[in-house]
Amino acid sequence: KNEVEQSPQNLTAQEGEFITINCSYSVGISALHWLQQHPGGGIVSLFMLSSGKKKHGRLIATINIQEKHSSLHITASHPRDSAVYICAVPNTGNQFYFGTGTSLTVIP
Amino acid sequence: ETGVTQSPTHLIKTRGQQVTLRCSSQSGHNTVSWYQQALGQGPQFIFQYYREEENGRGNFPPRFSGLQFPNYSSELNVNALELDDSALYLCASSSRAATGSPNEQFFGPGTRLTVL
Repeated sequence: KNEVEQSPQNLTAQEGEFITINCSYSVGISALHWLQQHPGGGIVSLFMLSSGKKKHGRLIATINIQEKHSSLHITASHPRDSAVYICAVPNTGNQFYFGTGTSLTVIP
Repeated sequence: ETGVTQSPTHLIKTRGQQVTLRCSSQSGHNTVSWYQQALGQGPQFIFQYYREEENGRGNFPPRFSGLQFPNYSSELNVNALELDDSALYLCASSSRAATGSPNEQFFGPGTRLTVL
């Protein structure tokens, strides 16, 4: 069993739709990261959060530490949001366990 | 702009050869982590360097080795390349707090290695 599980694995949405990606983890953590990876490989850190909710533009991330669950929401999705979204949690050594990612395609 | 750079961007090698990948960390960051990402998979932790010392290692054989230099840049060396080593190799830098608490990691663009 992976330490980090994401769902769905693949997601196709129409432009403008509200999108939710879920992440569940089995290890104890102090923070969780949401990452975005575009085709070609480059990874960008979207959020690091340890409680509650964070918002950046059209992106919202929430976390429930007790339930070991986090969600990434995208409001008013746009084709440029098409990417792989990865949930990652650090262990005590600041090394990361990664989910396998959710591949999002937003159709115009 | 993350400030983390990697070289080369793409590389093709044959089985049995050796390869060195390089990573320059973001200014002020003293920790570099290396990850292997096979096609369609999430990244897998290879090892981490903190102030020139290896600070944790994932489930990778000894033919994967690394170095960190005084300027905190880093190298990943892979000996006796195998076909399954074909992957995207990512490095990420961070600034390790005195408390050891996790900090945000900034990723480089990756090096795409193909082993034929």
